[in-house]
Amino acid sequence: EVKLLESGGGLVQPGGSLRLSCAASGFTFTDFYMSWIRQPPGKAPEWLGVIRNKANGYTTEYNPSVKGRFTISRDNTQNILYLQMNTLRAEDTAIYYCAEQLRFAYWGQGTLVTVSS
Amino acid sequence: DIVMTQGALPNPVPSGESASITCQSSKSLLHSNGKTYLNWYLQRPGQSPQLLIYWMSTRASGVSDRFSGSGSGTDFTLKISSVEAEDVGVYYCQQFLEYPLTFGSGTKLEIK
Repeated sequence: EVKLLESGGGLVQPGGSLRLSCAASGFTFTDFYMSWIRQPPGKAPEWLGVIRNKANGYTTEYNPSVKGRFTISRDNTQNILYLQMNTLRAEDTAIYYCAEQLRFAYWGQGTLVTVSS
Repeated sequence: DIVMTQGALPNPVPSGESASITCQSSKSLLHSNGKTYLNWYLQRPGQSPQLLIYWMSTRASGVSDRFSGSGSGTDFTLKISSVEAEDVGVYYCQQFLEYPLTFGSGTKLEIK
């Protein structure tokens, strides 16, 4: 059974940093592109970026809205996806999801990030 | 960026009636390989989005055949035949033709 479990969310002050994790199981992690998507309260999801699979050199693509502040990485020995978020702003407040990017058939339950003083 | 524009539903929809949700893209999502790079999702209250349809018209595994997707390169429709209480939530379309991937603003379905 495919499982994706995000963690690391919480309350952070503006200008601060946070690293989110997504533990994956039930599939061959290195075969899949993995993405991060966020959803502000009451709004539509926003795709943040993707890290490609082993066959494509684990390269990354980012939404221009977060490029330069957010970094996606992966630990392929422990099957964990990461999202490093720097210089956080109030508008980064959202539920953050990880998802596989073959079909977007599998999403985690999300982790809430609140940016507030 | 490709902009995805969704239409509204005349809520609430009577149980057992059909409902059609529209989505329009600012650029054709038809790839040269003949596939149309559009997904549909349902997000039930308090849950993560659930994939319903991919490649514009292919139902995801385990999805009821009451859901069907159709369209052209820029205009798309998700049809729900005989709506049920479990169909309540917000429906999103998403293009995955080019980066950044983008979602529509969502269409809420309420049942009477």
